[in-house]
Amino acid sequence: DIQMTQSPSSLSASVGDRVTITCRASQNIHNLNWYQQKPGKAPELLIYAASSLQSGVPSRFSGSGSGTHYTLTISSLQPEDFATYYCQQSYSTPLTFGGGTKVEIK
Amino acid sequence: QVQLQESGPGLEKPSETLSLTCTVSGDSMRSYYWSWIRQVPGKGLEWIGYIYDSGSSNYNPSLKSRVTISVDTSKNQFSLKLNSVTAADTAVYFCARAVPTGTFYMDVWGKGTTVTVSS
Repeated sequence: DIQMTQSPSSLSASVGDRVTITCRASQNIHNLNWYQQKPGKAPELLIYAASSLQSGVPSRFSGSGSGTHYTLTISSLQPEDFATYYCQQSYSTPLTFGGGTKVEIK
Repeated sequence: QVQLQESGPGLEKPSETLSLTCTVSGDSMRSYYWSWIRQVPGKGLEWIGYIYDSGSSNYNPSLKSRVTISVDTSKNQFSLKLNSVTAADTAVYFCARAVPTGTFYMDVWGKGTTVTVSS
């Protein structure tokens, strides 16, 4: 199985801050997807294919990366962005997710 | 707008078979993959498996011996069966639509249903 490692596992930030979350794969995965999950809710797709913004997702979210190293950036954190973020590889089955990064209010 | 809704018992006894159904509304099931994902409370996401509209399926090896996913496109539903459940199968179970492009991503999710395994 491809292991996905996210860092940090949690972070505290203020509204307006720039936030970067990293996801590393145990092997080259060519592409990556990012999801946001709020407490008690289902995950929602933010970014697919490493850098493509899902329809309806604010442009303050962006993704980049290739190979084994990927990042999700929130350019200016908003109150509704406090949530847990997961990366997911689809290069091979079993599909696997990172352990999550919880973004909390500072 | 496509919507997914999970349904099924919220409580199962150990060694029994967990059965859930996901009903798809607002779009055809054709040309998509349909997935089940679960989340143990307070933990991360685990992919269980997916099925294509044709009926071909793929399962997580960690669960493969106990899982069956089936699809009924005439009813716009797909289902999950997980047998011989234990307390470790207590989780929120989500169904999701997966887009089979160059990267395989899940763009629509159900709200999730909590299943507790307990005697």
